[in-house]
Amino acid sequence: TQLLEQSPQFLSIQEGENLTVYCNSSSVFSSLQWYRQEPGEGPVLLVTVVTGGEVKKLKRLTFQFGDARKDSSLHITAAQPGDTGLYLCAGAPHGQNFVFGPGTRLSVLP
Amino acid sequence: ETGVTQTPRHLVMGMTNKKSLKCEQHLGHNAMYWYKQSAKKPLELMFVYSLEERVENNSVPSRFSPECPNSSHLFLHLHTLQPEDSALYLCASSLYPGGENTEAFFGQGTRLTVV
Repeated sequence: TQLLEQSPQFLSIQEGENLTVYCNSSSVFSSLQWYRQEPGEGPVLLVTVVTGGEVKKLKRLTFQFGDARKDSSLHITAAQPGDTGLYLCAGAPHGQNFVFGPGTRLSVLP
Repeated sequence: ETGVTQTPRHLVMGMTNKKSLKCEQHLGHNAMYWYKQSAKKPLELMFVYSLEERVENNSVPSRFSPECPNSSHLFLHLHTLQPEDSALYLCASSLYPGGENTEAFFGQGTRLTVV
């Protein structure tokens, strides 16, 4: 059983469309991170959310941490082919080691 | 450039070979990790080192042997691997191995193919 679940597993959309991907857990996290990984490369940290209900924006990407700090979402506005990649959420539940979710594989078609 | 460097980027080895993967970080971090990423599978944590001491070993076969000579360097020694060990091996570091606000910085990975 995954400590962190991500949905959808795969997503293929056209350039210019909006999308939201989700990261869920039954555990409370002190913080959550989102990473993007391109094929053949290591994951790159995008953002860390810390406070329940927190919203952070990174250009066309909007990250939200759930009020109960058990879930998070990533919304991309007007997706571009350069957004293609594997989106991973990760965090350390209270008293436990750092864990990763299985990821959402996004493909943005031109 | 994330501050974590892995070499080599690509490696092809036979099942009887012995090779080593190298990871180096100059971020002043105290924790280093080895992950395995197979096609269409989640990142699998293999080893965690904190201040050069191994703190976690997730039941990894003994044909994988980690070494952490200092807080900046991490090795993964490989011997008598199997074809199913072919994967992307990722090294990461963080200021601490867990707890609040842990953020991991990854290297670019070593693409390993066992033939």
